[in-house]
Amino acid sequence: EAQVTQNPRYLITVTGKKLTVTCSQNMNHEYMSWYRQDPGLGLRQIYYSMNVEVTDKGDVPEGYKVSRKEKRNFPLILESPSPNQTSLYFCASSLIGGVETQYFGPGTRLLVL
Amino acid sequence: AQKVTQAQTEISVVEKEDVTLDCVYETRDTTYYLFWYKQPPSGELVFLIRRNSFDEQNEISGRYSWNFQKSTSSFNFTITASQVVDPAVYFCALSEAPGRDDKIIFGKGTRLHILP
Repeated sequence: EAQVTQNPRYLITVTGKKLTVTCSQNMNHEYMSWYRQDPGLGLRQIYYSMNVEVTDKGDVPEGYKVSRKEKRNFPLILESPSPNQTSLYFCASSLIGGVETQYFGPGTRLLVL
Repeated sequence: AQKVTQAQTEISVVEKEDVTLDCVYETRDTTYYLFWYKQPPSGELVFLIRRNSFDEQNEISGRYSWNFQKSTSSFNFTITASQVVDPAVYFCALSEAPGRDDKIIFGKGTRLHILP
């Protein structure tokens, strides 16, 4: 089954404790992306990747890191989480770029205390 | 800079009524793509439609239809005869300059309520 998976689905952590949210897709998509969803703000793109070893900033990259060492994986790293990073995070992938249909993962709900 | 505005934060309609969700966009590019996604109460994001800037034909898919008007930079979405399966947050999105800047900008979404 074609899908985008994210782990964990729910996470409670404390300020400053490094964490990684994993994202994996099995569709051989070149483009992968991370979004955060906050009430009243909609979806905002954090980082995206056009292909292996190619990443770029979205609209809200501060406080986040990503890496793309393999085509199928695109982890989101919060080196020192803060309460303002409490949010619902979605990973997405598409065939070749932002102009293609995005396939979204199920979301990761993060609470930073 | 690219921008997507969904002015309607929430809309309520009575079941079986038609409803139109507005989407206005801003872009400097002549080549761009517009999307609509649905987020039902279960939380997943579901693709509805993708339209490129060179195709202004309106599209109909069952009870859904989309009206793309470049003259007013709008890409509105109409649900005909609304049903109990339609409550969701609906997002409009824009991607411009394919291959050059693959950012995607989403609107803030419109939450649709269906009243019995």
